[in-house]
Amino acid sequence: KNEVEQSPQNLTAQEGEFITINCSYSVGISALHWLQQHPGGGIVSLFMLSSGKKKHGRLIATINIQEKHSSLHITASHPRDSAVYICAVRGYGQNFVFGPGTRLSVLP
Amino acid sequence: NAGVTQTPKFQVLKTGQSMTLQCAQDMNHEYMSWYRQDPGMGLRLIHYSVGAGITDQGEVPNGYNVSRSTTEDFPLRLLSAAPSQTSVYFCASRPRTGPDTEAFFGQGTRLTVV
Repeated sequence: KNEVEQSPQNLTAQEGEFITINCSYSVGISALHWLQQHPGGGIVSLFMLSSGKKKHGRLIATINIQEKHSSLHITASHPRDSAVYICAVRGYGQNFVFGPGTRLSVLP
Repeated sequence: NAGVTQTPKFQVLKTGQSMTLQCAQDMNHEYMSWYRQDPGMGLRLIHYSVGAGITDQGEVPNGYNVSRSTTEDFPLRLLSAAPSQTSVYFCASRPRTGPDTEAFFGQGTRLTVV
């Protein structure tokens, strides 16, 4: 069993839809990161969470430490949101463990 | 600030050739790391460094060497390239202290070994 799992693996949505991507992990963590990677592009950090909820524009990230689960929500999705979204957890050491990513396509 | 800069962006090597992937950051971050990203797999840690003069192996270190002579630079060396090293490589950095520190990634180097 992978330490970090994401669902779904692939997601296709129509522009304007509300999108949820889930991340479950099996290790103790100090922080969880949501990352975005556009096709052929670099990786950008969207959120870093250790508890509760954060919001940046149309993006919302939540974490439930007791259940070892985090969600990334996109409201009013847009084709420019099409990317791979990666959940990464950091334990009490220095290193990340990455999920396999969720490939999102938002159709106009 | 330029953030994390990786060079080159693309590279094709022949089996057995050597090369160095460059990574530099201008944020005075102590912690730097190299990952490889392969289709269907999450990013995997190759090597990391918690400060100048200190390096350690990650999950998949074989075939790669690193050094950290300065805080800014963390080059990754392929001593004798193999087709299995065809991948996209990412360098990352962040401050070492504290759990709630943001991570910064480079744009990636797409390496093909033929």
